Amino acid sequence: AQSVTQPDIHITVSEGASLELRCNYSYGATPYLFWYVQSPGQGLQLLLKYFSGDTLVQGIKGFEAEFKRSQSSFNLRKPSVHWSDAAEYFCAVGTGGGADGLTFGKGTHLIIQP
Amino acid sequence: DAGVTQSPTHLIKTRGQQVTLRCSPKSGHDTVSWYQQALGQGPQFIFQYYEEEERQRGNFPDRFSGHQFPNYSSELNVNALLLGDSALYLCASSFGTGLAAYEQYFGPGTRLTVT
Repeated sequence: AQSVTQPDIHITVSEGASLELRCNYSYGATPYLFWYVQSPGQGLQLLLKYFSGDTLVQGIKGFEAEFKRSQSSFNLRKPSVHWSDAAEYFCAVGTGGGADGLTFGKGTHLIIQP
Repeated sequence: DAGVTQSPTHLIKTRGQQVTLRCSPKSGHDTVSWYQQALGQGPQFIFQYYEEEERQRGNFPDRFSGHQFPNYSSELNVNALLLGDSALYLCASSFGTGLAAYEQYFGPGTRLTVT
């Protein structure tokens, strides 16, 4: 069965600094890859997705992610964080035809220091 | 354009009781997936409904059941509640089948507390 690992439970970044959140997956083939953000009291919002093609994908709110097959990774990046980026970030994979739902990691809690 | 809505927002139940949670998908969406998110964890897939039928189920017991109505709204029912069922229950909607079903829009969730 597939699995998703987000190695960092918490990350603290200063406002204006760059950000990288790590995500590794375990699956025998290339999965479909997603990053979601969850703010307190809110549902999950899709930041970006990778299905195929260009391994560097752009998302909303200035986020991007890079798929690296050799490392089974799909890390999320942002060049300059804003205080409003403080939230919980989840990496997820899909490995079937869409009906099987997404498998999520445990999340990384992002704290922004002023 | 209304997004995914869920009701109620919060719910407190006693062990052994039954609960029904409701979800209305985003306008234009016809597929509904349900997830359970325990505290400090990522969401776990419960099942997905399309054309009023359960398409696939995650690793959840039969105590968890669902329904989808002709207007695409959905219900999640949990019988014989256990303390471990306390969680945030998320509904996600999408359109169609195939990879498009992965492009899921989530509601704010229902917080269920079992005492």
